[in-house]
Amino acid sequence: GDSVTQMEGPVTLSEEAFLTINCTYTATGYPSLFWYVQYPGEGLQLLLKATKADDKGSNKGFEATYRKETTSFHLEKGSVQVSDSAVYFCALSDHWGSGGSNYKLTFGKGTLLTVNP
Amino acid sequence: DTGVSQNPRHKITKRGQNVTFRCDPISEHNRLYWYRQTLGQGPEFLTYFQNEAQLEKSRLLSDRFSAERPKGSFSTLEIQRTEQGDSAMYLCASDILGEQFFGPGTRLTVL
Repeated sequence: GDSVTQMEGPVTLSEEAFLTINCTYTATGYPSLFWYVQYPGEGLQLLLKATKADDKGSNKGFEATYRKETTSFHLEKGSVQVSDSAVYFCALSDHWGSGGSNYKLTFGKGTLLTVNP
Repeated sequence: DTGVSQNPRHKITKRGQNVTFRCDPISEHNRLYWYRQTLGQGPEFLTYFQNEAQLEKSRLLSDRFSAERPKGSFSTLEIQRTEQGDSAMYLCASDILGEQFFGPGTRLTVL
């Protein structure tokens, strides 16, 4: 079945440091890939997505590129801020765009990021 | 606020009691999902509705769990004879174009 493996946390960085959170996946079809973020006390929010190989998703300075050859979707940001402190989840959906299908998400375990001033 | 809402936000119950949670999706979204999230884990899919039809249920959804979405609007998730292992955050999400919007969740604690 589908699965997502993301780098174990917690990750602690100083403000303005470079961030990478690794994510690899296993899927039977051609999944779409997502990064969700959960800020303290809030619900899950979509951060970015990519729907096909070589697509780059980007939002709020975060980027991730869909690499089919390495089955990866690593999250990067060039300069983190204290406000980026949150839990980040990598996820896949194996039914994107097939019209009328179940777009259920398979999530990784999450990576807690703490950014210190 | 036009996001996904869930009630209650917190529920504490004794083992063996029944509980029911409600989810109100974004009004024009025809697909609705329930997930369960335990501490230190990502959300796990429980069940999916398209309009009022429940089209898929996970193996995680034992026969003590039942979900409904009458008239294709709000949804309820009921757990009968709760067990301590049911303690978790129950999340609801809705989508219309494959992008899921999540509610704040209902945290269930079974004593």
